[in-house]
Amino acid sequence: AQSVTQLGSHVSVSEGALVLLRCNYSSSVPPYLFWYVQYPNQGLQLLLKYTSAATLVKGINGFEAEFKKSETSFHLTKPSAHMSDAAEYFCAVSVSGGYNKLIFGAGTRLAVHP
Amino acid sequence: GAGVSQTPSNKVTEKGKYVELRCDPISGHTALYWYRQSLGQGPEFLIYFQGTGAADDSGLPNDRFFAVRPEGSVSTLKIQRTERGDSAVYLCASSSATSTEQFFGPGTRLTVL
Repeated sequence: AQSVTQLGSHVSVSEGALVLLRCNYSSSVPPYLFWYVQYPNQGLQLLLKYTSAATLVKGINGFEAEFKKSETSFHLTKPSAHMSDAAEYFCAVSVSGGYNKLIFGAGTRLAVHP
Repeated sequence: GAGVSQTPSNKVTEKGKYVELRCDPISGHTALYWYRQSLGQGPEFLIYFQGTGAADDSGLPNDRFFAVRPEGSVSTLKIQRTERGDSAVYLCASSSATSTEQFFGPGTRLTVL
C-alpha cells in the first residue's frame, strides 16, 4: 500500500528565502508523485508531477522537486519565497500504470513573512 | 474552458438528514474521483468512476455513502442519515483517459449539526 509523510505541518520563511517542504513516500511499486497547492477557499491546483521521466521536475510558479528513490523522497523547493506562496501544500502518491487514485499527505501550511 | 464545478458550495444539515452533493466534471473527462478532506488533514479518496461505473469504491466509509454517475458526466454523492463526523469538505476531481493530472473542483463544505 502507498503512503505519504509530510514532515512539518507548518513552515514559516521570510520573503526571498529558500522554501523547502519535505515529502517521503512509501510504495511497493514504482510511484507517480505529485505536489498540489491549496489557497484559502479554493480547490487543489497541481504544481508538478513525477511520472518516471526526469528525476528533477519543474513546476509552476518557480517550484521544483527531485525524486530520490534511495531516500524515498520528493521534496519541494523554491529558491526565493514570495508572499503569494503562502498556502497549504500537499504531496500525493499514486500507483503508476493504473488509474490515478491519489493518496495524500496531511499537508504543510507555508507562511511567508516580510 | 470551464473547470470542475461543485454544488452547493456550502451545505448545513441536521444529524440524521439526507444530503446530495453534485459534481460537474470537465467536459470529455471520463475519470471522476471523490475525496473527503477533514479539518487539518489531506484529502482522502472515496470513490473513482470510469465512465458510468464505479471502478473503485473502497474509500467509502460505510453504506450510508453512495455515489452515482448515470450518464458518465455529472456525479452525485449521496449521504444518508448524516452524522456529525461526516462534516468535511467534499472534493471532486476529473481527468482525461490519457492524463495523470486530476483537476479539482472548489469543494462542498458539509456541516452536520
